[in-house]
Amino acid sequence: KAGVTQTPRYLIKTRGQQVTLSCSPISGHRSVSWYQQTPGQGLQFLFEYFSETQRNKGNFPGRFSGRQFSNSRSEMNVSTLELGDSALYLCASSGTGSSYGYTFGSGTRLTVV
Amino acid sequence: KNQVEQSPQSLIILEGKNCTLQCNYTVSPFSNLRWYKQDTGRGPVSLTIMTFSENTKSNGRYTATLDADTKQSSLHITASQLSDSASYICVVTLSGGYNKLIFGAGTRLAVHP
Repeated sequence: KAGVTQTPRYLIKTRGQQVTLSCSPISGHRSVSWYQQTPGQGLQFLFEYFSETQRNKGNFPGRFSGRQFSNSRSEMNVSTLELGDSALYLCASSGTGSSYGYTFGSGTRLTVV
Repeated sequence: KNQVEQSPQSLIILEGKNCTLQCNYTVSPFSNLRWYKQDTGRGPVSLTIMTFSENTKSNGRYTATLDADTKQSSLHITASQLSDSASYICVVTLSGGYNKLIFGAGTRLAVHP
């Protein structure tokens, strides 16, 4: 079955702009979570959505937001981009229950110039 | 504070040799521990997942161990190959309804010919 699909794969934006990233989970998975990965900070949790509801949130400013649609696809939005937002953004989907593995997408490489 | 620490930070080995990566955690309440392999610029790929009651899990040349008493895990790679060059990330899941993941910073492994 198809894996987790993230689009776009690469993105270059200018400071102050906003960006929307997309994640399509594995069919049947209702949980989608987002992570930011930078060389200095490693993987950091942004938020998790389950059945269109945000049920977990990390320590990121309000410029980072997300949503999930009825088909479980999720989008992440970052407004007023800063240079420090340059990172690999990963999403992961999971089935029900903590014993299920998290399957990650290949990520979106965002560069802010 | 929930924390996952990995050692060493980086490792260089020769092709064909074995190596062991370490993961210590202070996470409560504990649900499970996973090891992921992440190639540069790609999303992490799950290698093993272990719950509290499991103390060893193998996946080909990868063998993970878990000591829930000392809160330590290791990932042993046998007969390393050039394709094993990657970052290896230890991830602990908190139990309690929501699937909250605590990530280690990873060990960067380089396998040289």
